[in-house]
Amino acid sequence: DAKTTQPTSMDCAEGRAANLPCNHSTISGNEYVYWYRQIHSQGPQYIIHGLKNNETNEMASLIITEDRKSSTLILPHATLRDTAVYYCIVRGGSQGNLIFGKGTKLSVKP
Amino acid sequence: DAGVTQSPTHLIKTRGQQVTLRCSPKSGHDTVSWYQQALGQGPQFIFQYYEEEERQRGNFPDRFSGHQFPNYSSELNVNALLLGDSALYLCASSLTSGAYYGYTFGSGTRLTVV
Repeated sequence: DAKTTQPTSMDCAEGRAANLPCNHSTISGNEYVYWYRQIHSQGPQYIIHGLKNNETNEMASLIITEDRKSSTLILPHATLRDTAVYYCIVRGGSQGNLIFGKGTKLSVKP
Repeated sequence: DAGVTQSPTHLIKTRGQQVTLRCSPKSGHDTVSWYQQALGQGPQFIFQYYEEEERQRGNFPDRFSGHQFPNYSSELNVNALLLGDSALYLCASSLTSGAYYGYTFGSGTRLTVV
């Protein structure tokens, strides 16, 4: 079973920041938090991952709470092309497989 | 740089038949994982191959089998197809050794069993 809890759906206005929350209260010390997204009819796309520090790349920022029990993915300026299902995944090490939940369906509206 | 390539893109099979799906990993990747995604659900892990051996397996019956070749490409075989096997089958490649890189997924093979 997935180790994360995410809202089923969220809306965001185009150009505004999209903040997607994820709860992972049972995360252990060596497990990373990963975010992927899946645009309709495509394979999932890697966005970002982190252990305990906040991370930023060209796509998004990842904010992890100090107790590591929750995190937030931030898309700073959402566009219509960011409409997708976003998956938050907890995974240990480089060999563990990815266990997907149902994710959050983000709808970016004009 | 080519990403993950899967073939065919779409396939229709009859119940009881057998099917083989193919996957070429991203250049430089040595590990291939297969996922099944039913409509409206997240991808479910089937198994992972590394060094031509099955390294991990999810909760799927023995009807699902796989193979990895020396060039790291992989096949997924499903025997005795059931209607419930209709799904999008995703292949993901990754690099096991060295620094971690995110999994790269292909666009999948849409299998319909009638």
